[in-house]
Amino acid sequence: GQQLNQSPQSMFIQEGEDVSMNCTSSSIFNTWLWYKQDPGEGPVLLIALYKAGELTSNGRLTAQFGITRKDSFLNISASIPSDVGIYFCAGLNYGGATNKLIFGTGTLLAVQP
Amino acid sequence: DTGVSQDPRHKITKRGQNVTFRCDPISEHNRLYWYRQTLGQGPEFLTYFQNEAQLEKSRLLSDRFSAERPKGSFSTLEIQRTEQGDSAMYLCANSDRGGEKLFFGSGTQLSVL
Repeated sequence: GQQLNQSPQSMFIQEGEDVSMNCTSSSIFNTWLWYKQDPGEGPVLLIALYKAGELTSNGRLTAQFGITRKDSFLNISASIPSDVGIYFCAGLNYGGATNKLIFGTGTLLAVQP
Repeated sequence: DTGVSQDPRHKITKRGQNVTFRCDPISEHNRLYWYRQTLGQGPEFLTYFQNEAQLEKSRLLSDRFSAERPKGSFSTLEIQRTEQGDSAMYLCANSDRGGEKLFFGSGTQLSVL
């Protein structure tokens, strides 16, 4: 099935560092969502974006909806060990018949204390 | 806690056996989704219910797979004659009142030996 491209695939950083990751699509979406997944658990919603150019924060997390509507970015500031996990972007065309999420390939984040 | 419960959390079965998973969503949310996630990939859409009606099925959902949502409440996903390729995490998701955010359960991890 279709998946969005996320980069980088993995990141290994020191505690306290800032992190940036992005997600690109060949299709336009009108909603972008970012999820975090811990091993053996389902994805947990972090941030939802609804308008091109929108910048939204949730604590140390900031996400942006790209102007072209084909990309999105997630930044994590001052990383801590509990930020470890896999981060997924997901695109959605809200208002359609299904509201089906298309997920990215994921970015694995490892934080060394 | 997203309020979406899945049972069982883990299932180990032999090839050729039938398995059934259950999802109990947030009661007042009428949209329910099933996704499948294999190792190293993002979740992929399988099927979608609005109330008790199954409105869309992915081509990933072969004829060995069947999903139901009687009375528009809990949902079940059955896999008949399991194959090793069915090994994956099966995730259930519910959308919120607005429909643009999906909340996932913890998933059922299926291993087919």
